[in-house]
Amino acid sequence: EDQVTQSPEALRLQEGESSSLNCSYTVSGLRGLFWYRQDPGKGPEFLFTLYSAGEEKEKERLKATLTKKESFLHITAPKPEDSATYLCAVEGNNYGQNFVFGPGTRLSVLP
Amino acid sequence: DAGVIQSPRHEVTEMGQEVTLRCKPISGHDYLFWYRQTMMRGLELLIYFNNNVPIDDSGMPEDRFSAKMPNASFSTLKIQPSEPRDSAVYFCASSFKRGASIYFGEGSWLTVV
Repeated sequence: EDQVTQSPEALRLQEGESSSLNCSYTVSGLRGLFWYRQDPGKGPEFLFTLYSAGEEKEKERLKATLTKKESFLHITAPKPEDSATYLCAVEGNNYGQNFVFGPGTRLSVLP
Repeated sequence: DAGVIQSPRHEVTEMGQEVTLRCKPISGHDYLFWYRQTMMRGLELLIYFNNNVPIDDSGMPEDRFSAKMPNASFSTLKIQPSEPRDSAVYFCASSFKRGASIYFGEGSWLTVV
């Protein structure tokens, strides 16, 4: 069964304090790994898709990386507006292996 | 382009009443997903459609839940009769193919009292 875990559950950073969020997954044949950001009262907002080990994607202060078993979302010099819940999801290659979401990491960036 | 559109945004209903949630996917997207989000269970996939055909409904909690997609631009999720434990945020999402990112609506916040 496909599984996605995320750590830490919650993270508090000072503005400018860089850190990383982890997403560990088990899936028989990865079709894609996806990162989303969710603000309170909103739907998840798509950030990145990663398809193969070694791939990296960047957007502003965020950088996502992928290995065969996990993905990291690196946040460089975060700002208070980066505060949100970050969700990761995986989709497998086999029929029926649908989008499975992890529980998320709640990030708070303090000014 | 308009994103995924859901209605109603908020609904409060009494136990035993029928609830209908509505969704308009992004034009051109062939896949439509219904998710439920709670604090305890996170985001759970309830059902998804491909080209208006239900493909996997294994996440639908029980027979009280049903979903339809009569055409490419409209889907409904119905709960009848509703129960307090159905209180959650229900998200609709769409994508244009497998392996592509899925895009979410703003959600329907359901409270059953």
